[in-house]
Amino acid sequence: EDKVVQSPLSLVVHEGDTVTLNCSYEVTNFRSLLWYKQEKKAPTFLFMLTSSGIEKKSGRLSSILDKKELFSILNITATQTGDSAIYLCAGSIYNQGGKLIFGQGTELSVKP
Amino acid sequence: DGGITQSPKYLFRKEGQNVTLSCEQNLNHDAMYWYRQDPGQGLRLIYYSQIVNDFQKGDIAEGYSVSREKKESFPLTVTSAQKNPTAFYLCASSITVSSYEQYFGPGTRLTVT
Repeated sequence: EDKVVQSPLSLVVHEGDTVTLNCSYEVTNFRSLLWYKQEKKAPTFLFMLTSSGIEKKSGRLSSILDKKELFSILNITATQTGDSAIYLCAGSIYNQGGKLIFGQGTELSVKP
Repeated sequence: DGGITQSPKYLFRKEGQNVTLSCEQNLNHDAMYWYRQDPGQGLRLIYYSQIVNDFQKGDIAEGYSVSREKKESFPLTVTSAQKNPTAFYLCASSITVSSYEQYFGPGTRLTVT
């Protein structure tokens, strides 16, 4: 059975800290790994990673995929209170109609 | 403004009643999806549609039904057969079914008592 597991499930840090969120996957016919940020309601897209070892960056956020060890990490540097959210990772599958397998999410709380 | 709208934001129903959740998009996306989110769990796929008049079951389709009569609309009906319907429901769309980046609506929180 395909599955995606995120760790930790929750995390509390202070502003300015750097955090690393983990996502491991076991997905048959794996195509790509996606990261979303969910603040209260609609998840918003952060990154899609298809190739191993190539870091994607957006401001203070970065992510990388390791297809050999079947995991991805999302780094957030110099955290701000606005980074508080649930971070979701999901694996996509070839020829499965856009189906995504989501992890449980990591709830990040950034304290002032 | 382009986007996905879901209505209502909150919905309350009595057990045994069917209820329909609305999802509309003006992004001209071909593919649309319905997910369910429970506390401490990730999103689980209920149904998805690749194109008008076509839809497929996801991982937890039992007790749900959908229709896709128009490209911009993908309503979800939660039937009385769904044993545990109280949840947060999210609708999403993507340009095509091969575009794995999905855009999400704001969600509908359904409470059944």
